[in-house]
Amino acid sequence: QVQLQESGPGLVKPSETLSLTCTVSGGSIISYHWSWIRQPPGKGLEWIGYIYYDGSTIYNPSLKSRVSFSVDTSKNQFSLKLTSVTAADTAVYYCARSRLELPTPRFDYWGQGTLVTVSS
Amino acid sequence: DIQLTQSPSFLSASVGDRVTITCRASQGISSYLAWYQQEPGKAPTLLISAASTLQSGVPSRFSGSRSGTEFTLTISSLQPEDFATYYCQQLNDYPLTFGGGTKVEI
Repeated sequence: QVQLQESGPGLVKPSETLSLTCTVSGGSIISYHWSWIRQPPGKGLEWIGYIYYDGSTIYNPSLKSRVSFSVDTSKNQFSLKLTSVTAADTAVYYCARSRLELPTPRFDYWGQGTLVTVSS
Repeated sequence: DIQLTQSPSFLSASVGDRVTITCRASQGISSYLAWYQQEPGKAPTLLISAASTLQSGVPSRFSGSRSGTEFTLTISSLQPEDFATYYCQQLNDYPLTFGGGTKVEI
């Protein structure tokens, strides 16, 4: 059973960089796409983007200027960095395995999520 | 961006009720739509992919259908564990987008 676990600081100061890591267990990171999704408190889901195991990425244009992903296949991990954060970036951040092959693209495994609060 | 409009936003129902949630796409997305269930304080879980393919382990009371750019999630007989928020997601074009959610409550 594939499991994903987000980790990182729960509190980040305004204008600083939010950094999170997702560790995959029970399966390999190889040959899959891996997404980051966020959910502000009481609101809906926003896809941030994905990284393929080879390091190729697609970002949501709404965040593209501030976001970057990286992957470490040796550790079965991938990471998110979001720069110049504001209170609007306060959210639960999820990582998820993204199966994009047709005809049934879907996000089939999700981490439990981690709340990141932006506050001084 | 492709907009997904879910209706209703809130739905009050009882155990045993038949429940229907609609998701309308702002443009054609073929059948590349998934449905997720999110219980309070938990991560979303996949129910249906490709508009109507039930994920392994998901009860058969859940079903999905498509008519053009309108997609429907149906729960044939609502169970206590089904009270949650439901989201649709399009995977046809980037950026991938989610509907605003439908909260099913008593």
